[in-house]
Amino acid sequence: DIQMTQSPSSLSASVGDRVTITCRASQNIARYLNWYRQKPGGAPRLLIYAASNLQSGVPSRFSGRGSGTDFTLTINSLQLEDFATYYCQQSYTTRTFGQGTKLE
Amino acid sequence: QVQLVQSGSELKKSGASVKISCKTSGYSFTRYVINWVRQAPGQGLQWMGWINTNTGNPTYAQDFSRRFVFSLDTSVRTVYLQINSLRAEDTAIYYCVRDFSVIRGLFSTYYFDFWGQGTLVTVSS
Repeated sequence: DIQMTQSPSSLSASVGDRVTITCRASQNIARYLNWYRQKPGGAPRLLIYAASNLQSGVPSRFSGRGSGTDFTLTINSLQLEDFATYYCQQSYTTRTFGQGTKLE
Repeated sequence: QVQLVQSGSELKKSGASVKISCKTSGYSFTRYVINWVRQAPGQGLQWMGWINTNTGNPTYAQDFSRRFVFSLDTSVRTVYLQINSLRAEDTAIYYCVRDFSVIRGLFSTYYFDFWGQGTLVTVSS
């Protein structure tokens, strides 16, 4: 099974900051990497698919990069609604989530 | 519009069984796989597996291969998750999620695009 490891597990920031979250796969997953945001009490929402493609309706302050085993999610100019938990997910074979990064 | 509507919260005794439903609408039911995802209190997302809505064939993640059963009823566009021999550690929110696929020439990708609202299962001793 493919393991996904996110870092950091938690991150402190302020409105207007730029933050980057990292996700590493245990084997090559090409660009089969997605990012989700989950606000407290809600279901996750897709932000980025195929490593760098912005889902329709997602603000352009979100961006993704990477391929192979190493990926990043960057959020420019943090807004209040961005303080949530972020998950990466591989879809190269079956599905696996990272353990999550809580942005506080 | 695409919707996945799950059944309501459940409170069960340890050792009992529970069956959760996920009713879909707004798209061709048999075209997309439906996944199940578990989220224990204060914990992350755990992929449980999926069911092929075209064939009815389920695939289970390793941790969910014994007491968990995926099924479907195409006539009512609904998928089901049954959990047998419930344990306290099964207390969690369970989500059904549509698996969207894009295949264009050499490019392909897969992601979760529509989620159910989640069903809380609480297991008491």
